[in-house]
Amino acid sequence: LAKTTQPISMDSYEGQEVNITCSHNNIATNDYITWYQQFPSQGPRFIIQGYKTKVTNEVASLFIPADRKSSTLSLPRVSLSDTAVYYCLVGGYGGATNKLIFGTGTLLAVQP
Amino acid sequence: DSGVTQTPKHLITATGQRVTLRCSPRSGDLSVYWYQQSLDQGLQFLIHYYNGEERAKGNILERFSAQQFPDLHSELNLSSLELGDSALYFCASSGSTVSGNTIYFGEGSWLTVV
Repeated sequence: LAKTTQPISMDSYEGQEVNITCSHNNIATNDYITWYQQFPSQGPRFIIQGYKTKVTNEVASLFIPADRKSSTLSLPRVSLSDTAVYYCLVGGYGGATNKLIFGTGTLLAVQP
Repeated sequence: DSGVTQTPKHLITATGQRVTLRCSPRSGDLSVYWYQQSLDQGLQFLIHYYNGEERAKGNILERFSAQQFPDLHSELNLSSLELGDSALYFCASSGSTVSGNTIYFGEGSWLTVV
């Protein structure tokens, strides 16, 4: 089981770039890395997913080093509405026998 | 909208009662996952079903059970309810050619036990 470790909380200001790192030392070969955003009382929302190197979409970038033992979610120019809990999730999805265990998440607080 | 539908959205019931939460996965998704999130707590994995079969169990209480039906919808049954069972229960799905390796969450069912 790939356990994940993230900082409990981070502070930022509007317009800044935010990087949240997740450690997953015992990631398996068939595991993907996925990041989610969760607002209070809402379901986690998919942000980005990757397997190795760098992935970019319209809202974020995901950096994964060659050894895949960590990953970094990069949020460019955050706004107040980006204040939320961010989770990284590591696992082999689909039909595989797996328990997709979430870590504690990182509470990002964006200030004006 | 993730495409995962959960009903009911809110439910208030008394201790000792039994409730059923329902989940309709994204079209074509074969896997369904259930999670529990208590107030100000993280997401606790309960159980995973794939195409009708149980694939993995987390910290699911013996009072709780789940199943996935031939049409791929899933139900989570919670019985002998206690105050501590009050939580948000999320369903997530994955595994279709569209969803692939990403799990998508529903908006949850709020259970309040009084």
